[in-house]
Amino acid sequence: DAKTTQPPSMDCAEGRAANLPCNHSTISGNEYVYWYRQIHSQGPQYIIHGLKNNETNEMASLIITEDRKSSTLILPHATLRDTAVYYCIVSPTSGTYKYIFGTGTRLKVLA
Amino acid sequence: GAGVSQTPSNKVTEKGKYVELRCDPISGHTALYWYRQSLGQGPEFLIYFQGTGAADDSGLPNDRFFAVRPEGSVSTLKIQRTERGDSAVYLCASSSTQGATEAFFGQGTRLTVV
Repeated sequence: DAKTTQPPSMDCAEGRAANLPCNHSTISGNEYVYWYRQIHSQGPQYIIHGLKNNETNEMASLIITEDRKSSTLILPHATLRDTAVYYCIVSPTSGTYKYIFGTGTRLKVLA
Repeated sequence: GAGVSQTPSNKVTEKGKYVELRCDPISGHTALYWYRQSLGQGPEFLIYFQGTGAADDSGLPNDRFFAVRPEGSVSTLKIQRTERGDSAVYLCASSSTQGATEAFFGQGTRLTVV
């Protein structure tokens, strides 16, 4: 079973920040938080990952709480192309792994 | 460069038939994963190859499912005596090594068993 809990769906206005929450209250100290997204009819796409510190790349920011029991993926300026299912995954390694996907959050960006 | 390529993109087969699904990973990638995704669900892990060997096949649902990667590049997922419950999108992913932080997924093969 997935070690994460995400809301099933969210809406966001185009141009606004999209904040996608994820609960992983049973995460172990050496486990990483990964985010992937899946646009309709495509395979999942890597977004970002982190262990303890907040992370930022060209796609998104990842905020991990101090107790590491939850995190938030932030898309700073959502566009229509960001409409997708977003998966939060807990992984025992910083390398690629046999991910356990949950059902994710279906983000719909509205014009 | 080319991404992960999966063929065919769609496959319709009759119950009881044998099917093969092909995955061409990104050139030079040593790690290869197969997942299965049912409608409305996240991908479900099937098997992982590091090079030519199956390092973890714990996700294969039963002995009707088998996968090979004889030369450490192309992989084939084989399903015998297909059942209607096997209908799903089969996804392949590769990464440069097991230690790489990003897995690259193909667009999948949609298998429909009628």
